[in-house]
Amino acid sequence: KQEVTQIPAALSVPEGENLVLNCSFTDSAIYNLQWFRQDPGKGLTSLLLIQSSQREQTSGRLNASLDKSSGRSTLYIAASQPGDSATYLCAGYYNNAGNMLTFGGGTRLMVKP
Amino acid sequence: DAGITQSPRYKITETGRQVTLMCHQTWSHSYMFWYRQDLGHGLRLIYYSAAADITDKGEVPDGYVVSRSKTENFPLTLESATRSQTSVYFCASSDGTGGRETQYFGPGTRLLVL
Repeated sequence: KQEVTQIPAALSVPEGENLVLNCSFTDSAIYNLQWFRQDPGKGLTSLLLIQSSQREQTSGRLNASLDKSSGRSTLYIAASQPGDSATYLCAGYYNNAGNMLTFGGGTRLMVKP
Repeated sequence: DAGITQSPRYKITETGRQVTLMCHQTWSHSYMFWYRQDLGHGLRLIYYSAAADITDKGEVPDGYVVSRSKTENFPLTLESATRSQTSVYFCASSDGTGGRETQYFGPGTRLLVL
């Protein structure tokens, strides 16, 4: 079964720290990968989409990388702020799963002032 | 307002009743999706649609019915609600080749089945 895993499930860091969130997938046949942010009681906000032909994408303080050979993606957050506190989810389209996004369980991030 | 909206935002119903959750998007995206989010299971795809009048099952379709007569609307119906369908339901849309592009999510509908 194709799975997406995010470890750790929760992370607490002091404000200003640079941090990395991890996402691993079981099969290198992943088409592209998307990172989302979810605030409590809210919907998902798309952060970055990495196409299969790309290795990374950047948006402001966020940088996401994709290494299909190792089955890993990382989301790097620079100079973290309390407003970054949320749950971060990664999700991938597998080549043989059509339009179905497979989601990880998420990492709940708390940035302390 | 532009974007993707869902209604109602909160719904309480009883076992056995029919419930319809609405989803509307203003981008004219080809693809639309319905997910449910549950503790311990994460987000799971219920149904999706590639265009008007084209729908397909996702991972957990049993007990749900969808239709898409217009590009902008994608209602989800629980024909006879069960307690196990208590969940948060999210609608999403995307565009691009094959639909495997950025998905944009609505705010969600919290459904409680008593």
